[in-house]
Amino acid sequence: DVKVTQSSRYLVKRTGEKVFLECVQDMDHENMFWYRQDPGLGLRLIYFSYDVKMKEKGDIPEGYSVSREKKERFSLILESASTNQTSMYLCASSPPGGTEAFFGQGTRLTVV
Amino acid sequence: GDSVTQMEGPVTLSEEAFLTINCTYTATGYPSLFWYVQYPGEGLQLLLKATKADDKGSNKGFEATYRKETTSFHLEKGSVQVSDSAVYFCALSETNAGGTSYGKLTFGQGTILTVHP
Repeated sequence: DVKVTQSSRYLVKRTGEKVFLECVQDMDHENMFWYRQDPGLGLRLIYFSYDVKMKEKGDIPEGYSVSREKKERFSLILESASTNQTSMYLCASSPPGGTEAFFGQGTRLTVV
Repeated sequence: GDSVTQMEGPVTLSEEAFLTINCTYTATGYPSLFWYVQYPGEGLQLLLKATKADDKGSNKGFEATYRKETTSFHLEKGSVQVSDSAVYFCALSETNAGGTSYGKLTFGQGTILTVHP
């Protein structure tokens, strides 16, 4: 069974902290993505990666960075967390050609 | 850029009612179209997809037809169940100039469906 695993379901962090969200996939997919989900806005793409050490900005990259040192792992980094980054974060992966994306369970991050 | 617009929600129905959730899109190329479903407390799951004009995607009694002339991909089900209560997202995947898709998705805002017994 295909699997995308996010390291935490719930996180509470303080303003100004550096936050790491980890995502691992076991499908040997080239493409990986980080989305942010907010009510009434759907999902918005933060960053994606189509190969190890490659990254591309999505629609809302400000305040975030990413790391992809290994094919199976894609990390989202909040350099200095702010309250407006309180949200649900979803990781996804897809094979070449991108015919279908597989999503993790999501991490609900609260910044206080 | 590409965009997806879904009908405003939430939608509340009685069991066995007919469901339609409207979705229209704007795209420069020839995108693939998807419906994803998110059950409470879970991530997104692919419900159905269509990769070219006039294709019909179907799964679990849900259907949607890729209509290029109206740039639409409306989701329908003839008889909903309580277990269909979830958030439904319409999405498209972009292709680059060479026709390659990386699986990058553009989503609509989501429609909350609640089905009562």
